[in-house]
Amino acid sequence: DTAVSQTPKYLVTQMGNDKSIKCEQNLGHDTMYWYKQDSKKFLKIMFSYNNKELIINETVPNRFSPKSPDKAHLNLHINSLELGDSAVYFCASSQGDARSAQHFGDGTRLSIL
Amino acid sequence: LAKTTQPISMDSYEGQEVNITCSHNNIATNDYITWYQQFPSQGPRFIIQGYKTKVTNEVASLFIPADRKSSTLSLPRVSLSDTAVYYCLVGDIANSGYSTLTFGKGTMLLVSP
Repeated sequence: DTAVSQTPKYLVTQMGNDKSIKCEQNLGHDTMYWYKQDSKKFLKIMFSYNNKELIINETVPNRFSPKSPDKAHLNLHINSLELGDSAVYFCASSQGDARSAQHFGDGTRLSIL
Repeated sequence: LAKTTQPISMDSYEGQEVNITCSHNNIATNDYITWYQQFPSQGPRFIIQGYKTKVTNEVASLFIPADRKSSTLSLPRVSLSDTAVYYCLVGDIANSGYSTLTFGKGTMLLVSP
């Protein structure tokens, strides 16, 4: 069983479109995260949810909106996609805050045409 | 911000011990030091975490000097499968904010036969 699963694995779309990436964790963790890894391989946090509440929102454009229907799911919706949004997006989870070991999904590679 | 600096790359041979050092000169009192491993097309995987002195688990050791301005990840007797990127992460969410959760470029370790 995959602990943290993301769908889709690959996403190719055009500028201006709206897309969503889904994430589910079966570890019973109470905190989930979204990271963006750009072409330079920097892995930077975007959002974190603890018990379904947003507890941080870094300087991310408001075109990006996380949605958490329950503590096992944290989906990422992106409006009006831009070329600069091309990256690999990782979902992660931990029990407690990020001082605890984070478990990552295998990423969603988003390519904007 | 607790910025980290690591070597961009390291080379080793099978069976050798590898030590990767991370500098974090402005580490805060409550910051923990966490190391992750990332293979191509996969999310980072937690290796080890420490606050001070030495921590050891089944796969690695983490050495942290008294001033905590650096840390060294030690991988005993590496194998080809240890070829990966290793990230040092320093941060305490509660006090330093989530901006500290930028992983940085990491160290690309290449293990040869």
